[in-house]
Amino acid sequence: GAVVSQHPSRVICKSGTSVKIECRSLDFQATTMFWYRQFPKQSLMLMATSNEGSKATYEQGVEKDKFLINHASLTLSTLTVTSAHPEDSSFYICSARRLAGTRQENIQYFGAGTRLSVL
Amino acid sequence: SQQGEEDPQALSIQEGENATMNCSYKTSINNLQWYRQNSGRGLVHLILIRSNEREKHSGRLRVTLDTSKKSSSLLITASRAADTASYFCATPLEGFKTIFGAGTRLFVKA
Repeated sequence: GAVVSQHPSRVICKSGTSVKIECRSLDFQATTMFWYRQFPKQSLMLMATSNEGSKATYEQGVEKDKFLINHASLTLSTLTVTSAHPEDSSFYICSARRLAGTRQENIQYFGAGTRLSVL
Repeated sequence: SQQGEEDPQALSIQEGENATMNCSYKTSINNLQWYRQNSGRGLVHLILIRSNEREKHSGRLRVTLDTSKKSSSLLITASRAADTASYFCATPLEGFKTIFGAGTRLFVKA
């Protein structure tokens, strides 16, 4: 099956630092990737849609300057949490959309997630 | 806002029993998908059912879809301890976004 690699799996940082998370589709090209945030025992909340070669589309309430997204190639999207604070601590998950069959069904393949802890 | 809402929120059963989870959604859909998430991990796609299908099987999984009621169910037969996970229904929206429900946390006791 399709593989999406997310790195790092865990990061602990001091308040005020920036953290970059990478999401790579290893065996397929992904023109669209998604970034989610998940709090303990809750569902995934879509943060933004990352489009290759263009600006990301952010969901309402997500600060663009806080969560910088870059999708520079068909296999890589990055999320940078700038000037991280303790309230940014969360589980961040990326996914890549892969076309399936002829109907372009929207099946997503997920990375393993990154647990961010801001001290 | 969440598109899909699962119930129950949590389910605890004995190994060998069947587990049924339900999902309701709000808008018209082309397909509905079920995903599984092990604790602290990413999601794994389980099964997709199209809007013109009523039932679909994959191994021990059985999914039904009732578009008139805007609901779907996921049945796991002969559950195993390894099935312990959270299960989410998901519906794709415009722009290829997929919105996930709140999930059902399934615990299968050995």
